[in-house]
Parts: sequence; structure tokens; C-alpha cells
Amino acid sequence: DQQVKQNSPSLSVQEGRISILNCDYTNSMFDYFLWYKKYPAEGPTFLISISSIKDKNEDGRFTVFLNKSAKHLSLHIVPSQPGDSAVYFCAASSLRDDKIIFGKGTRLHILP
Amino acid sequence: GAVVSQHPSRVICKSGTSVKIECRSLDFQATTMFWYRQFPKQSLMLMATSNEGSKATYEQGVEKDKFLINHASLTLSTLTVTSAHPEDSSFYICSGKASPNQPQHFGDGTRLSIL
Repeated sequence: DQQVKQNSPSLSVQEGRISILNCDYTNSMFDYFLWYKKYPAEGPTFLISISSIKDKNEDGRFTVFLNKSAKHLSLHIVPSQPGDSAVYFCAASSLRDDKIIFGKGTRLHILP
Repeated sequence: GAVVSQHPSRVICKSGTSVKIECRSLDFQATTMFWYRQFPKQSLMLMATSNEGSKATYEQGVEKDKFLINHASLTLSTLTVTSAHPEDSSFYICSGKASPNQPQHFGDGTRLSIL
């Protein structure tokens, strides 16, 4: 049973527009959420995180929104750039536990 | 940012061979290291968690006698796949974190192919 779900395997967005990547989770014990970006043949790179006490965290072009009641989070990238083309993994954990549970990832294509 | 180096990046070997993968934190002390496995089109699945100087904690379904983990120092953890078989072919990736409130930083992974 998948505890972290990324239902869109891929997403294509025009350069300069907003990219929105979605993620749902089922475990109400999760209180810390992360997004990682992965290029081919490289390991995931930490992008941004949010704890459950917040509903928004912003870092430059990247903003993560958390809706605890819906058990949903999203990553917004604006404006999208060609270098943003990668696989994005949503991940969740409990601050009491080091384990991170990953989603299957969404491949983002930024179109010229 | 924090750098984790994983070596080798690719291994191709015969069935029955044991393979050792190294994971080093280059610019921070990783009190905890993690080993993951990823099959095609699947998410990263945690195999085990190791703290420096103590035995690794394995996830359910992961054979600890097959996947030997050693975390001898704050900058090095190794995963040895013993007597590897074709079904062990996968992408293995490690990560480390300096403290509980820090994110995990990942190596670039090892593509293991058992013939």
C-alpha cells in the first residue's frame, strides 16, 4: 500500500509558465514533507521541505503548499526553466523517525 | 551543499559474486546513513538505516545476511550484496544526514547488474 502517491507519471509545461506537481499521502503520522529533484544518472537532490505546522514554504522559484486536511501537498515552480526538466520525488516522514517514504516520482518536461 | 559520494556507479558481474558499494559523506559527518533500492518506475524503497558504530536496522523483507551493512565511521558506510543473483539487479542508492532535523543527502547511486 503506497503511503505517498504521485499520480502523474509525467508533466509537460511551457518554459516561463508555472509547473505544479502534486502529491497525496495516507499516513496521518507524517509531519515532515520533502521534495527531491533527480537528473538521470545522479542521486536525488534535496529541493525544499515543509513541516506540518506550516501550510506554505517558499524558496526562490519553488513553493510548497501543504493541505493537511486533504493530506495533499504540491510543489509550484514559477517561472519554469529548461533546467527544471527532471524527475521530482515527493517524500514524507515523521520528525520522530528518520525514515523517509518516497512517491514514485513525476517526470517534468519543460518545453521551449 | 552537503555531498555524498557513492562508488562504484555501475557494476556488472556474474551470479554468485559478492559486491561491495561504498558511501562517503565528503563534507559533513553522517551520524545516520540510509540504503535504498529502486526498481524501474518504482519509488525509492528503504532497505536499512545505520547509525555509526551500531548494527543496521533492516526494513521488513530485507535479508540482513544478504545485504551486509557496515557503518564504521561518521563518513563511511558500505553495503555488501553477498552471493548476488539476477533478481538483485537494481539501482542502489545511499544517503546520509548529519542530525535528526536535517534532510537526507543522496549519493548518485550504483546500478548493479547481475548476469
